Amino acid sequence: GESVGLHLPTLSVQEGDNSIINCAYSNSASDYFIWYKQESGKGPQFIIDIRSNMDKRQGQRVTVLLNKTVKHLSLQIAATQPGDSAVYFCAEQGGSEKLVFGKGTKLTVNP
Amino acid sequence: ETGVTQTPRHLVMGMTNKKSLKCEQHLGHNAMYWYKQSAKKPLELMFVYSLEERVENNSVPSRFSPECPNSSHLFLHLHTLQPEDSALYLCASSQEVVAGVGGDTQYFGPGTRLTVL
Repeated sequence: GESVGLHLPTLSVQEGDNSIINCAYSNSASDYFIWYKQESGKGPQFIIDIRSNMDKRQGQRVTVLLNKTVKHLSLQIAATQPGDSAVYFCAEQGGSEKLVFGKGTKLTVNP
Repeated sequence: ETGVTQTPRHLVMGMTNKKSLKCEQHLGHNAMYWYKQSAKKPLELMFVYSLEERVENNSVPSRFSPECPNSSHLFLHLHTLQPEDSALYLCASSQEVVAGVGGDTQYFGPGTRLTVL
């Protein structure tokens, strides 16, 4: 079946560095992608989304890149802060199909 | 805050108990969802409601019974659960459900941490 996964289960960065979290998807029909952030003890929080007619989308300190050729999605966080420590996971959707979530990457920001 | 609230935040229950989880969304959305989140597993979709009508039941055991009295409220009634049902139960809402499930950004509540003894 189709699945969404993440390349690394954990990522540790220094405060101030840029972080890159990756996601691979297998459904070539997926046309909508979302990144969520989940802090300990909280529900997932929407960060940014991108549709398949775009390659890049920027938010506040975050950028999502979509490479449809290799079915790869990444989340870049600029100047990572301790408050960015959380589990990040991607979700994908194709057409009328349900949203499929990846397992998540735990980001730890070291002071 | 996302505009989606859940109560209680923590619940411990025995296998013979009956309890209910409550979700309320203040976003004016038409679709609401229940998810189960277990350790080291992706989110598992349980139920989807669109305008109070259930549109998805993702092979969930009958010991979980959802109820959607209106588009702002969603309940999950729990009965004779098993220890493996211990997990974080998340409620989400979105503006619409497109042709079945999904289709719009989903906003999540904080979850109810359920422990079944």
